[in-house]
Amino acid sequence: SQQGEEDPQALSIQEGENATMNCSYKTSINNLQWYRQNSGRGLVHLILIRSNEREKHSGRLRVTLDTSKKSSSLLITASRAADTASYFCATENTGTASKLTFGTGTRLQVTL
Amino acid sequence: EPEVTQTPSHQVTQMGQEVILRCVPISNHLYFYWYRQILGQKVEFLVSFYNNEISEKSEIFDDQFSVERPDGSNFTLKIRSTKLEDSAMYFCASTRGGPAQYFGPGTRLTVL
Repeated sequence: SQQGEEDPQALSIQEGENATMNCSYKTSINNLQWYRQNSGRGLVHLILIRSNEREKHSGRLRVTLDTSKKSSSLLITASRAADTASYFCATENTGTASKLTFGTGTRLQVTL
Repeated sequence: EPEVTQTPSHQVTQMGQEVILRCVPISNHLYFYWYRQILGQKVEFLVSFYNNEISEKSEIFDDQFSVERPDGSNFTLKIRSTKLEDSAMYFCASTRGGPAQYFGPGTRLTVL
């Protein structure tokens, strides 16, 4: 598989439920970031976790990082219809001078 | 809140023509990037730019591509002779120096 594979590819939940998205990567990283993209729009930075961190919270977002498994998860709690978007993980790999390597993305649909 | 802007939002061109995609990064940012996203695929890094020179470029960024910061505000991506496979969404991003990147809304390039 390629750097930055995410699963599931698509996720459909009801408002109020939690959404969990997973990301795997292959190389050594400085940090891992999650971005959100509404249909046909740009990417919005959500949260960053550094390679020496294991968990981080920001509002309704919780991200974990397991560098031994080269994986991360993004949890959105109490989802809202407005959370409907595509979510991408992106890694800043060691020795790459800040370029981001993006995952394949998870399309999240939150219904009322 | 300051944001990255891109023009045009949509560019249609004939194969072999030159196109220039324009970006205005956030004013106090120092590092600039171009990424592209072919429909349904990952966001891919093209090039990073700092201190008026290219910091890093991907294999995609061949001799047909060039970047320029002609003045204190604009950051441009030029494709000299477009090919059908250049059709994609092109995103500009900037950062002051921290790892989180701020993306513009993108330019959709369609090559006929």
